[in-house]
Parts: sequence; structure tokens; C-alpha cells
Amino acid sequence: QSVLTQPPSASGTPGQRVTMSCSGSSSNIGSNYVYWYQQLPGTAPKLLIYRNNQRPSGVPDRFSGSKSGTSASLAISGLRSEDEADYYCAAWDDSLSGYVFGTGTKVTVL
Amino acid sequence: EVQLVESGGGLVKPGGSLRLSCEASGFIFSDYSMNWVRQAPGKGLEWVSSITSSSTFIYFADSVKGRFTISRDNAKNSLYLQMNSLRVEDTAVYYCARGQFGGVPGPFDSWGQGTLVTVSS
Repeated sequence: QSVLTQPPSASGTPGQRVTMSCSGSSSNIGSNYVYWYQQLPGTAPKLLIYRNNQRPSGVPDRFSGSKSGTSASLAISGLRSEDEADYYCAAWDDSLSGYVFGTGTKVTVL
Repeated sequence: EVQLVESGGGLVKPGGSLRLSCEASGFIFSDYSMNWVRQAPGKGLEWVSSITSSSTFIYFADSVKGRFTISRDNAKNSLYLQMNSLRVEDTAVYYCARGQFGGVPGPFDSWGQGTLVTVSS
């Protein structure tokens, strides 16, 4: 059962900027860091953003994260065909004493 | 290079048990918290359980609490998930994921390839 809400889909043409939201509550996004994961078709998830807006080594700066209150967002600028994937937000939830994932957003490159 | 290799998945009948293993290499296993995350066929990611580096703190999702047990053997660089009283809805690919240096919470920065668990009569 997902506690974080994401739009089911997003799309854009190559080179465009795509954004997706992640809505939570005071017990998760509102009081903890947000993480974003990218899952390419048929592969394991990969960490894309940590601590709301930090990129691990090797992640292109086309990917950026932000957080405001109980919501977060991920932006992909200069969209490329290889960005076609499912994207999940996640956060620790103090009320549940566990992690919660978002419902996931499927990005399609038109 | 960090490597996580899961094993132990398979077909099991409802009510049965299964033990998953995750063998880690390429980092000091005893320094990091570890996690299990699952993904039902065609569905999203669901966090299952976390264990801190020294097994001091353990956390479970409500959906598996009382049925699943997480453990680790730092001498063997291995993480385990004992799954009892399995239900059809536990059918999923189970991923092992490295957590933060020390405790939780933190990002899952490395993932295994996953092992499929199918619960069916």
C-alpha cells in the first residue's frame, strides 16, 4: 500500500523538460529526506536522487530533485530516449517506522 | 564494485515457508544497514524490511509483520529473509538493497538483481 502519491504517467519529446510530483504527509516527506529511484524496463531500481536533491556519482545533472513541505518533485531536462523508465519517490515514515514508496510514474519519450 | 546477489526464490504453496539469502561483496558489509524491497508482477515497489548494521534495530512493513524475519551474518557478508505463512499476495520479485552507513533511515544505493517468489497452489 503506497502512502506517497505520484501521477501514473508523464511524457515528452527528446530535449524537453519533464517533471513529476510526489505527494506525502507530515510524517514522511514533511519530516524526512526524499529519495528518487529509476527503474528501467526489466531491471532493478537505481538510486537517482538522495537527500531531496543530491545526485549520486554518475547520475547526469539532467536529473534534479526538490522538496517543499509535504511534496517533492523530480525534473528531467534534455529528455533522452534512455530516460524511458518508471520513477519512484520514497521516504522514511515516522508514524509507520518504515519506508514508504510512491505509486510510481511511467515516463514515455515520444 | 558493490555486488548483491539474491537467491532462494521459487514456487511455494500458500501457508508455506521460504528463506531468501543475499550475498554481498565489494564493501564492508558490517558497516551498512540492509533492506528487502519487493515488487509484485506489474506493480510498484514495496518496502519489506530493514536491519541496521549490528542488527540492533529491525523494522517490518505491516503487511509482513509477524510472518517474516530478517537477519544478517556479518561474518558471512550475508542478509536473510525468512518468510513464513506465505500468502498469494506475497508473490513478487524480492530485491536486496544496501542502505545507509550505520543505521536507518537512508537511501538504498545499491540493489541486487532480485529473486522471484511465487506463492500458488
